[in-house]
Amino acid sequence: DVKVTQSSRYLVKRTGEKVFLECVQDMDHENMFWYRQDPGLGLRLIYFSYDVKMKEKGDIPEGYSVSREKKERFSLILESASTNQTSMYLCASSLIRWGQGVYSGANVLTFGAGSRLTVL
Amino acid sequence: AQRVTQPEKLLSVFKGAPVELKCNYSYSGSPELFWYVQYSRQRLQLLLRHISRESIKGFTADLNKGETSFHLKKPFAQEEDSAMYYCALSGRIQGAQKLVFGQGTRLTINP
Repeated sequence: DVKVTQSSRYLVKRTGEKVFLECVQDMDHENMFWYRQDPGLGLRLIYFSYDVKMKEKGDIPEGYSVSREKKERFSLILESASTNQTSMYLCASSLIRWGQGVYSGANVLTFGAGSRLTVL
Repeated sequence: AQRVTQPEKLLSVFKGAPVELKCNYSYSGSPELFWYVQYSRQRLQLLLRHISRESIKGFTADLNKGETSFHLKKPFAQEEDSAMYYCALSGRIQGAQKLVFGQGTRLTINP
């Protein structure tokens, strides 16, 4: 019944390492998102994608990049991990087209279980 | 600026007591408002949305445009309501449709 799968539940990396967080959804959703979840700060959007090979910056894109080569897969990349990137990372997807110039009412996100990243 | 504010980081009530989780927003337009919930060791999931005008697990939320609020209410709290609750706003922000979350409120129901 799992619909949004994040490949790693827990990761421990060292400062300066390159980190890949993978997310796969099996619902044929167009939109995919990466958030980070921090206590007291809520969920903050890092990047999102509303189509294959398309990406848009969220509120905190610095230090991150993304890749969407296939509709079902959205990867978050930390080119050089830093300690302030220690966090819970949540991937989500939604069916309704979301981006420039198109709006529809549902906007319901389906979330993955999260990837807890610790950078030492 | 578009913003969602949940003034309480922590809220603790006794079982059977009424509970209200506050959410205020700022948005220059007609937003869509949501409540998402994350139970212990579970995924974040949608609880309810204002356009549905429905009660889920005994919770209701009314959009008050005059007060720019979308408070979540339940008349009689149950222990299984203990969770992290996020209010979210969907609207057109900086030219793109976005979903903005509040800081979250951790609700604890005491037996």
